[in-house]
Amino acid sequence: GAVVSQHPSRVICKSGTSVKIECRSLDFQATTMFWYRQFPKQSLMLMATSNEGSKATYEQGVEKDKFLINHASLTLSTLTVTSAHPEDSSFYICSARPQSGVYGYTFGSGTRLTVV
Amino acid sequence: LAKTTQPISMDSYEGQEVNITCSHNNIATNDYITWYQQFPSQGPRFIIQGYKTKVTNEVASLFIPADRKSSTLSLPRVSLSDTAVYYCLVGDTENTGFQKLVFGTGTRLLVSP
Repeated sequence: GAVVSQHPSRVICKSGTSVKIECRSLDFQATTMFWYRQFPKQSLMLMATSNEGSKATYEQGVEKDKFLINHASLTLSTLTVTSAHPEDSSFYICSARPQSGVYGYTFGSGTRLTVV
Repeated sequence: LAKTTQPISMDSYEGQEVNITCSHNNIATNDYITWYQQFPSQGPRFIIQGYKTKVTNEVASLFIPADRKSSTLSLPRVSLSDTAVYYCLVGDTENTGFQKLVFGTGTRLLVSP
């Protein structure tokens, strides 16, 4: 149990376009999800906390207009990278945790974004 | 959230026991210690979680001394497939609230034949 599905696993887009990444909790409801970004050989950096039915909370230094987060249902959060540029190329990962019964947070498999 | 300090990297050979120590001097009373494993181009995977003394599951053991200012992840008889980055996190993850997880540098473990 406690599976988080992330889609797509990899995407290549042209500079200036927008890309949407989906994060779904498959067998539990997630009122809160988290979005991370990871550059090569580096640790995960928390970008924002996604809250169902309300605005996301962004970490300091993360542009909310650049990284749009929507958490419209208890099982789906989306991250849209708007007007993507090559420096936005990274590995994006989401995570969530069931209310109870399972230790720890479950992470999606990640999305490799390459902006060309 | 309590800050954690781990060795940047460790090397080992197949069949050996590997112990990765994490320091968390500012751990709070309600904080749990959780370890995750991450392979390249994958999301982190939960390994083990504990509060005090010793916890063991099918893949690892977690040793936590009485002062809880450090913890040691023990991987018995590692194999090549254990080559990964291991993260130690400290936080009140057992609370019904959803405390955000902040990752430290992690320990890059390389297992050689």
